[in-house]
Amino acid sequence: DAKTTQPPSMDCAEGRAANLPCNHSTISGNEYVYWYRQIHSQGPQYIIHGLKNNETNEMASLIITEDRKSSTLILPHATLRDTAVYYCIVNRDDKIIFGKGTRLHILP
Amino acid sequence: SQTIHQWPATLVQPVGSPLSLECTVEGTSNPNLYWYRQAAGRGLQLLFYSVGIGQISSEVPQNLSASRPQDRQFILSSKKLLLSDSGFYLCAWSPTRGPEAFFGQGTRLTVV
Repeated sequence: DAKTTQPPSMDCAEGRAANLPCNHSTISGNEYVYWYRQIHSQGPQYIIHGLKNNETNEMASLIITEDRKSSTLILPHATLRDTAVYYCIVNRDDKIIFGKGTRLHILP
Repeated sequence: SQTIHQWPATLVQPVGSPLSLECTVEGTSNPNLYWYRQAAGRGLQLLFYSVGIGQISSEVPQNLSASRPQDRQFILSSKKLLLSDSGFYLCAWSPTRGPEAFFGQGTRLTVV
């Protein structure tokens, strides 16, 4: 079972920041939060991961709450190419289990 | 750099026929390897994962099997395909000590 809860879909205007929430209230102390996205008909693409601290890379920022029970993926300037299903995953072992994700629509 | 190869890209097979999908990884040693399936309009289902040669963990009981004959080779097989086996099959690898996984381009299987 996926250990995360995400809204099924979200809209964001092109050029604006897209903020995708994820709840993981049962996360354990040594479990990472990962984000992936899947563009239609392609394999998932790794975006970012974090344990406790906020993280930023060339694709996105990850904000993790202090109690680690939720996180937000931020795409700072969304483009039409960011239209995809975004998956938030929590795990520490070798299995990588995907939930249903959030379908993000970028509106022109 | 590391690359993952998965083939074929598309496959149409009759019900009851066998299946063999192969996945190979280059540029890394002792990766974790994964097979996923995505039915049309559905989510990604983990089928098998492997942390080493000959070590296979099955997540979903079904008529599929997996083998890892070499460190960087992962094979998905079936002796007799069912209509319900149709879907998008994805192979992935991750570093033994790393949290991120990298996916192949997938095989779109249609069982007719």
